[in-house]
Amino acid sequence: SQKIEQNSEALNIQEGKTATLTCNYTNYSPAYLQWYRQDPGRGPVFLLLIRENEKEKRKERLKVTFDTTLKQSLFHITASQPADSATYLCALPLTGTASKLTFGTGTRLQVTL
Amino acid sequence: DTGVSQNPRHKITKRGQNVTFRCDPISEHNRLYWYRQTLGQGPEFLTYFQNEAQLEKSRLLSDRFSAERPKGSFSTLEIQRTEQGDSAMYLCASSLSNLGTGGQPQHFGDGTRLSIL
Repeated sequence: SQKIEQNSEALNIQEGKTATLTCNYTNYSPAYLQWYRQDPGRGPVFLLLIRENEKEKRKERLKVTFDTTLKQSLFHITASQPADSATYLCALPLTGTASKLTFGTGTRLQVTL
Repeated sequence: DTGVSQNPRHKITKRGQNVTFRCDPISEHNRLYWYRQTLGQGPEFLTYFQNEAQLEKSRLLSDRFSAERPKGSFSTLEIQRTEQGDSAMYLCASSLSNLGTGGQPQHFGDGTRLSIL
């Protein structure tokens, strides 16, 4: 069956370090993958979209990689700040190019001073 | 850009009652989605519209759930005869249509939190 796995344990890092979050998927061949941020009691906020023909995408302090052979995406936040503390969700289309998304369970990131 | 708006933000009701939620998407977006999210889980797809047409419903969606988007603008999600298991955050999102094989970002509202007593 199709499955998306994100590390369910919280990731605790020190301010200024690089946070790296992992999203692994099985039995999918998605045309793209998205990352969202979610704060408690709020809806997810879109961060980055990467397509299957792109190896890497950057936006300010954020970087996403997409390895379709390993079936894995890595999400990096460089020079992390306490304000980056949130839950980060990866999402893939249920079938190839479909609009409807399947989300992972998310990884909670805690950045401390 | 006023963002996606959902009302009410919170709803508490007794088991067996009917509830209706409203979503106002970003005005230029033709796609509208409903998701459900429970604690510690990611959002789970329920249904989506392109303009006024409901294109897909999740197989997990019981017959007690119905959604409409009558004029291709706002949408309502109704749950009839609510059950304890319906307690969750109901999220609405909107987007433009996909371009070719690429996806589009989905813009989410802050949800309606439903609590069934």
